Amino acid sequence: DAGVTQSPTHLIKTRGQQVTLRCSPKSGHDTVSWYQQALGQGPQFIFQYYEEEERQRGNFPDRFSGHQFPNYSSELNVNALLLGDSALYLCASSLLTRDTGELFFGEGSRLTVL
Amino acid sequence: AQRVTQPEKLLSVFKGAPVELKCNYSYSGSPELFWYVQYSRQRLQLLLRHISRESIKGFTADLNKGETSFHLKKPFAQEEDSAMYYCALGGFYGGSQGNLIFGKGTKLSVKP
Repeated sequence: DAGVTQSPTHLIKTRGQQVTLRCSPKSGHDTVSWYQQALGQGPQFIFQYYEEEERQRGNFPDRFSGHQFPNYSSELNVNALLLGDSALYLCASSLLTRDTGELFFGEGSRLTVL
Repeated sequence: AQRVTQPEKLLSVFKGAPVELKCNYSYSGSPELFWYVQYSRQRLQLLLRHISRESIKGFTADLNKGETSFHLKKPFAQEEDSAMYYCALGGFYGGSQGNLIFGKGTKLSVKP
């Protein structure tokens, strides 16, 4: 089991562009959460997907949107990129019915906005 | 508003010395507290959670609701404990999954 996998690992965009980040959850997991980690900060919750629907959302603008597919994989989309969107984007998976609070994280996608 | 505070950005100790990483939280509901750790070149992973009241790798943490704290302790630090430690708060929406509020983290450096 490769665990949570994310792609791409690094990418560079310019202001105003759009980006799509991808995540495959750990085998057997059905819930995907996305976090943004700015330099020197802890991860900040963006949203969570379960059964292809957004289940919870943090304090992020509508420019941040997501999707979950029937195979439980997920995408994070960010439109109209700003310089402040430069960060490490982490995907975490879990099994909703096993509410232990343990999240399994991927290695992240590092986004740089120029 | 919910908040997690880790007052130390960096904590440096010698091998064999006791370690305490501080974490304070702000939440009016029933909190669920976690410690996550990130070793060099590894992904973020759960170290321990308050509900299990277990000791992992010699680390323990006790939830003190009166002081709203969840400090992480180890009596004798080892060099392999050097890592970034994040305290996290959950328990919202009736469950602890997914929506965690993380502190800014404390980098623990254990010197030989």
